[in-house]
Amino acid sequence: QQPVQSPQAVILREGEDAVINCSSSKALYSVHWYRQKHGEAPVFLMILLKGGEQKGHEKISASFNEKKQQSSLYLTASQLSYSGTYFCGTAPMTGTASKLTFGTGTRLQVTL
Amino acid sequence: EPEVTQTPSHQVTQMGQEVILRCVPISNHLYFYWYRQILGQKVEFLVSFYNNEISEKSEIFDDQFSVERPDGSNFTLKIRSTKLEDSAMYFCASRVDGEKLFFGSGTQLSVL
Repeated sequence: QQPVQSPQAVILREGEDAVINCSSSKALYSVHWYRQKHGEAPVFLMILLKGGEQKGHEKISASFNEKKQQSSLYLTASQLSYSGTYFCGTAPMTGTASKLTFGTGTRLQVTL
Repeated sequence: EPEVTQTPSHQVTQMGQEVILRCVPISNHLYFYWYRQILGQKVEFLVSFYNNEISEKSEIFDDQFSVERPDGSNFTLKIRSTKLEDSAMYFCASRVDGEKLFFGSGTQLSVL
């Protein structure tokens, strides 16, 4: 069962912040976040393991609430280069290298 | 950074024909995957492969699909008799363990 992402789409002006949410009905071992530009392969952003940690680099960070089986991606002071579709990928508790099941994606457009 | 290589980048075929999509995963990776993405939609899991056998497959991966790792470096996806609905971008991915997935740049398959 695929994770549910919200919102489906968001338009920002450069410099604004955004939060993208990912929710699963299954117990999770890890949550991955990827960004995909049009016509390109998904590019890895970060991985969060069970334990409720928060990770980040520069102005993109994420949290993982293991109890709620939810993860959120935080984009602060957005740049034009942040535009793309963001996917969360979830891995169940059954194995560390199990398949990732991707959410429906969130289209982010950053404008001037 | 090491890369997953996919060939061809585009493949056009007639309905009912067989196609083979090729991938060279990163050399020290142990887990291999095929995903597909219909235009504008989410990334869908097809199959995972570990230790020279399929470890998991989705409902999409029916008898028309097969995977092989014939020579220890290449990883192929074969579709025996293509259908119109097989038209999609096919991504190969690999990883060492439970860490991030490395995606190839994809093969755009068009079935006419």
